[in-house]
Amino acid sequence: LAKTTQPISMDSYEGQEVNITCSHNNIATNDYITWYQQFPSQGPRFIIQGYKTKVTNEVASLFIPADRKSSTLSLPRVSLSDTAVYYCLVGESDYKLSFGAGTTVTVRA
Amino acid sequence: DAGVIQSPRHEVTEMGQEVTLRCKPISGHNSLFWYRQTMMRGLELLIYFNNNVPIDDSGMPEDRFSAKMPNASFSTLKIQPSEPRDSAVYFCASSVQGTSGVNEQFFGPGTRLTVL
Repeated sequence: LAKTTQPISMDSYEGQEVNITCSHNNIATNDYITWYQQFPSQGPRFIIQGYKTKVTNEVASLFIPADRKSSTLSLPRVSLSDTAVYYCLVGESDYKLSFGAGTTVTVRA
Repeated sequence: DAGVIQSPRHEVTEMGQEVTLRCKPISGHNSLFWYRQTMMRGLELLIYFNNNVPIDDSGMPEDRFSAKMPNASFSTLKIQPSEPRDSAVYFCASSVQGTSGVNEQFFGPGTRLTVL
């Protein structure tokens, strides 16, 4: 399993952009980068996935540099409801993923 | 679709008792996962089924834990006998397994287990 490193916590304010960088220096050729979000007392929820370059959906953007040794999840204009734990996962198949400790993002008014 | 359904949502039992957690995956999904989440260890994969067959159970902590998937719409995770250290939130997730790559997992609401 590729090891991932992400900040333990981040604070932000409503309306700001939040960028969470995940380091995965030993990512393998067949590995994908996937991000999940988890609210308190709920199961994780898929946010976005990418292999290289940039991916954007209605919720977030994922930036992956050419060497793929890191990735950045970007949450535009966060609101209080974006307060959650965000997990960066790297792997080549569904059952070869590790959720790790995640990044607790706290959005304040 | 109702999403992944888990029951019970909360379970309180005494040490030594048998506990059975249940999961109904999303219809049409062919992969099912059981996870355990604690403050100390985070979210851990216990077992993974594909087309009702256990593919990887390396995360099952010990012989007290067992999981079955008798059909595509039902799975159980059993702990016998239960111990206080089994207290955790247990999540079931399902996905559609494609030919390759990583697929989006849909998680259930979880079962909060407390073993006294």
